[in-house]
Amino acid sequence: DTEVTQTPKHLVMGMTNKKSLKCEQHMGHRAMYWYKQKAKKPPELMFVYSYEKLSINESVPSRFSPECPNSSLLNLHLHALQPEDSALYLCASSQEPGGPSTGELFFGEGSRLTVL
Amino acid sequence: KQEVTQIPAALSVPEGENLVLNCSFTDSAIYNLQWFRQDPGKGLTSLLLIQSSQREQTSGRLNASLDKSSGRSTLYIAASQPGDSATYLCAVLVWGGGFKTIFGAGTRLFVKA
Repeated sequence: DTEVTQTPKHLVMGMTNKKSLKCEQHMGHRAMYWYKQKAKKPPELMFVYSYEKLSINESVPSRFSPECPNSSLLNLHLHALQPEDSALYLCASSQEPGGPSTGELFFGEGSRLTVL
Repeated sequence: KQEVTQIPAALSVPEGENLVLNCSFTDSAIYNLQWFRQDPGKGLTSLLLIQSSQREQTSGRLNASLDKSSGRSTLYIAASQPGDSATYLCAVLVWGGGFKTIFGAGTRLFVKA
């Protein structure tokens, strides 16, 4: 199983709503990532979790709040978003490189977020 | 700060042509380089991964090379098909307070039937 599953696939929310994006992997990967991708742009790293601890926050506004409840799950909690936050949110996972591990990154299909 | 550049930004070729996509990076301190394919509105599919100690990897009609010292990688696609039409992204894994993958802007490929 080389699958990263993201839900929901599509989400429309108002600026005052609170919603969450969810990501799950069962590959035994200990690193999980959130990326944001705008149309015709490359993915931009938001957060990295390593062994369930937040290791990188790329200066993301606090209206985005990540959570890693266990080694298989990653959430992104959304609150008071702006229309410019509309984008494709991608989750990814990997093993950290070293030894037999190549550090290959596996992506989910993404959650398309629209903020009205 | 690591920067990844992909040339060309867009490419249109007739079916059956062999083609080369280019990727360059500014800092040779990478752990690996990965090529991805992305169809419109979809997630990223991993095509090939080259570890920093390797020179090339092959999968079917795809061949990727890596010259770490010069900061360059190429993705060669043989006998292109309309189904190859997609955006191809190059990405490098680096250390920056944690492991993170930095992406190039991609090459949008269109293969005409």
